[in-house]
Amino acid sequence: DTGVSQDPRHKITKRGQNVTFRCDPISEHNRLYWYRQTLGQGPEFLTYFQNEAQLEKSRLLSDRFSAERPKGSFSTLEIQRTEQGDSAMYLCASITLGAGRQETQYFGPGTRLLVL
Amino acid sequence: AQKVTQAQTEISVVEKEDVTLDCVYETRDTTYYLFWYKQPPSGELVFLIRRNSFDEQNEISGRYSWNFQKSTSSFNFTITASQVVDSAVYFCALSVDNQGGKLIFGQGTELSVKP
Repeated sequence: DTGVSQDPRHKITKRGQNVTFRCDPISEHNRLYWYRQTLGQGPEFLTYFQNEAQLEKSRLLSDRFSAERPKGSFSTLEIQRTEQGDSAMYLCASITLGAGRQETQYFGPGTRLLVL
Repeated sequence: AQKVTQAQTEISVVEKEDVTLDCVYETRDTTYYLFWYKQPPSGELVFLIRRNSFDEQNEISGRYSWNFQKSTSSFNFTITASQVVDSAVYFCALSVDNQGGKLIFGQGTELSVKP
């Protein structure tokens, strides 16, 4: 399967613990996005990478959140000192940047986080 | 600022009925892209269609059709002869040029197709 993969699919943690999620984009896709989706809402943009460079961070990404894409391939999203409000689905998507035109983002299955 | 509104939170139909999901968007940009995604209970977002702002031609794909009207800033999605497998949450999304390609999603419409 050459789609976007995410790990883990589910994570339950206690408030105050740190968690890390991983996203493996479609091979050769140079742009990777992270979104957060809470219950009953549409996904909200968090951040994105062009190769290994993090080009934009949403105001939703507090200083407890950090994302990396060290070699321009997979990406990790870490949440430190988790809070119950962090409970959500975290979605990853990737595209290949075309010749100046918007391409289609393909999404992974998501990581469901529950903070107790 | 950009915004996507899906006013219908939930829709329930009986199998074989036609159903239209509404999407209204706001942007001042002249170059933008509109998308529809399907999210089944498993949670994964499945891409359905992408249109750019310069292409108002309606599109049909099997039982699915899309009506893009710039005059009313709408991009509506119709399912003809709905089936139980169409039950899911459907999201309309907007992306504008020169903003990194990030998607702005509506709140979604939950479609329930009953046998």
